[in-house]
Amino acid sequence: KNEVEQSPQNLTAQEGEFITINCSYSVGISALHWLQQHPGGGIVSLFMLSSGKKKHGRLIATINIQEKHSSLHITASHPRDSAVYICAVTRYSGGGADGLTFGKGTHLIIQP
Amino acid sequence: GAGVSQSPRYKVAKRGQDVALRCDPISGHVSLFWYQQALGQGPEFLTYFQNEAQLDKSGLPSDRFFAERPEGSVSTLKIQRTQQEDSAVYLCASSPYGGAGPYNEQFFGPGTRLTVL
Repeated sequence: KNEVEQSPQNLTAQEGEFITINCSYSVGISALHWLQQHPGGGIVSLFMLSSGKKKHGRLIATINIQEKHSSLHITASHPRDSAVYICAVTRYSGGGADGLTFGKGTHLIIQP
Repeated sequence: GAGVSQSPRYKVAKRGQDVALRCDPISGHVSLFWYQQALGQGPEFLTYFQNEAQLDKSGLPSDRFFAERPEGSVSTLKIQRTQQEDSAVYLCASSPYGGAGPYNEQFFGPGTRLTVL
């Protein structure tokens, strides 16, 4: 079983719809990251959170530490939001900085 | 300011060739990470440097993979005797501090797409 699971794997929606992508993890973490990857490979960090909720423009990320679950929401979705959204965690460790552990990503397509 | 840069952006190698992939992190960043992303998959951790020290190389898939960061800034990932299964995007990321924690955001480079024929 993967340590970071995302759902759905693929999502196609119409412009303007409210989008939710879910992430569950099974390890102790110090932070959870939501990343965006466009075709061509570049990865952009959207959110890094360890509790509660963060909002940036039309994007909202929430995390429930007790349930080991996070969601990424996109309001008023637009075709330019089409990308792969990746959930990743920083595992809690005693020292040093562990690399991120990634989910497999959610491929989002917003149709006009 | 300048972000993380990687070169080359694309590399085609014949099976058995050695390749070297370069990462220029954000100036002053302490931590540097290498990840491997196979087609259609999420990235997977390869190795981590804190300054010039390689603190974790547990993700390197074989002894053909070698990474260095001799002066604590630029890093090179070297793959010897490349195989077809090495074809992937190799991502580099840097972060300002050492240590795990919600303050230590990682900034990613554009990646190097390696194709081994």
